[in-house]
Amino acid sequence: KQEVTQIPAALSVPEGENLVLNCSFTDSAIYNLQWFRQDPGKGLTSLLLIQSSQREQTSGRLNASLDKSSGRSTLYIAASQPGDSATYLCAVGGSNYKLTFGKGTLLTVNP
Amino acid sequence: DAGVIQSPRHEVTEMGQEVTLRCKPISGHNSLFWYRQTMMRGLELLIYFNNNVPIDDSGMPEDRFSAKMPNASFSTLKIQPSEPRDSAVYFCASSRGTSVNQETQYFGPGTRLLVL
Repeated sequence: KQEVTQIPAALSVPEGENLVLNCSFTDSAIYNLQWFRQDPGKGLTSLLLIQSSQREQTSGRLNASLDKSSGRSTLYIAASQPGDSATYLCAVGGSNYKLTFGKGTLLTVNP
Repeated sequence: DAGVIQSPRHEVTEMGQEVTLRCKPISGHNSLFWYRQTMMRGLELLIYFNNNVPIDDSGMPEDRFSAKMPNASFSTLKIQPSEPRDSAVYFCASSRGTSVNQETQYFGPGTRLLVL
């Protein structure tokens, strides 16, 4: 059974700092890995989708990497802003189309 | 596009009552997912539909839960009778369904359910 772990559970940084969020998974037989953002009281917004054959994806200030062999992914946020404050969720997609989610990292960027 | 639409956004009910949650997926999307989010267990997939057909309901916690998708633009998740431990945020998500293993899922805003 796939298990997804996100560390740290919460992170607080000053504005402008570069930061890394970590995600690890136990079963390397994945189809894709996605990073989502969840704002309080709202649904999830997909940030980046990395296919199993890819090593990384970039969108603006966000860069996500994937290392299947070690069961790890990182989400790098450059020059963080207060508007980046949210919960970031990592989800692993398996052959059975199911997404297995981590419990998220609560990010607070302080002005 | 308006995105995935869910109603109601909030629901407070008493134990034993029937609860019906509704979802309208993005037009043209053929796959629909119902998830439940709690602090303890995080996000869990309850059921997955493709082309209006339930493909996998193994995540449905028990017989009190049922889901239907009568057409491509509407799905319901029903809990009968409801119990306090059903309190959670219920999300509906949809995707194009052409290659579901490699697609982004688009989430609705969720229904926050509180069973007293």
